[in-house]
Amino acid sequence: EIGLTQSPGTLSLSPGGRATLSCRASQSVSYYYLAWYQQKPGQAPRLLIYGASRRATGIPDRFSGSGSGTDFTLTISRLEPEDFAVYYCQQYGSSPFTFGPGTKVDIK
Amino acid sequence: EVQLVQSGAEVKKPGESLKISCQASGNTFTTYWVGWVRQMPGKGLEWMGTIYPRDSDTRYSPSFQGQVTISADTSINTAYLQWSSLKASDTAIYYCARRRGINSPFDLWGQGTMVTVSS
Repeated sequence: EIGLTQSPGTLSLSPGGRATLSCRASQSVSYYYLAWYQQKPGQAPRLLIYGASRRATGIPDRFSGSGSGTDFTLTISRLEPEDFAVYYCQQYGSSPFTFGPGTKVDIK
Repeated sequence: EVQLVQSGAEVKKPGESLKISCQASGNTFTTYWVGWVRQMPGKGLEWMGTIYPRDSDTRYSPSFQGQVTISADTSINTAYLQWSSLKASDTAIYYCARRRGINSPFDLWGQGTMVTVSS
């Protein structure tokens, strides 16, 4: 089983700031099969990034993903008020398709 | 536009059985995988398993193998998650979600079903 760790646990930033979220895998993720999801309170998760760097349909270009192997990053270039949420990474290349514990981005 | 609509909240007692559902709109139900994800109160996401409704090929996370059963009925575009004997620790929100292929992320999610197990 591939374990995922995310850092930091909480990121406190101001609107307009830049967020850099990290996801590290215990072993190499196959073929860039790494996704990022956003979850707001009381809502289902929403796919942001797949294939490590591809934006899902309708996702603004302030969200970008990068990385390969065991180290991946989600960057939000300029935080909008609606971006304050919890972000999860997930690897979907090797069963079981594990999620990271999440990073909460909150308002400073 | 495809949507996944889940059944409503449930309150059950320990030891009871339960089957929750996830119905897909549109006529493409047999062309993608449907998975289930657990979220315990205040916690993160856990992948439970996935089914390919066309042939009922089902894959489970080792953590949930034997604890739940995933099934589907293609005649009504519905996937199911069921328990034969609930425990208090099954209290959680359960989401269904679509995967377009075996190596695809979850790109469409249901609204979630809250299951509360309490004596």
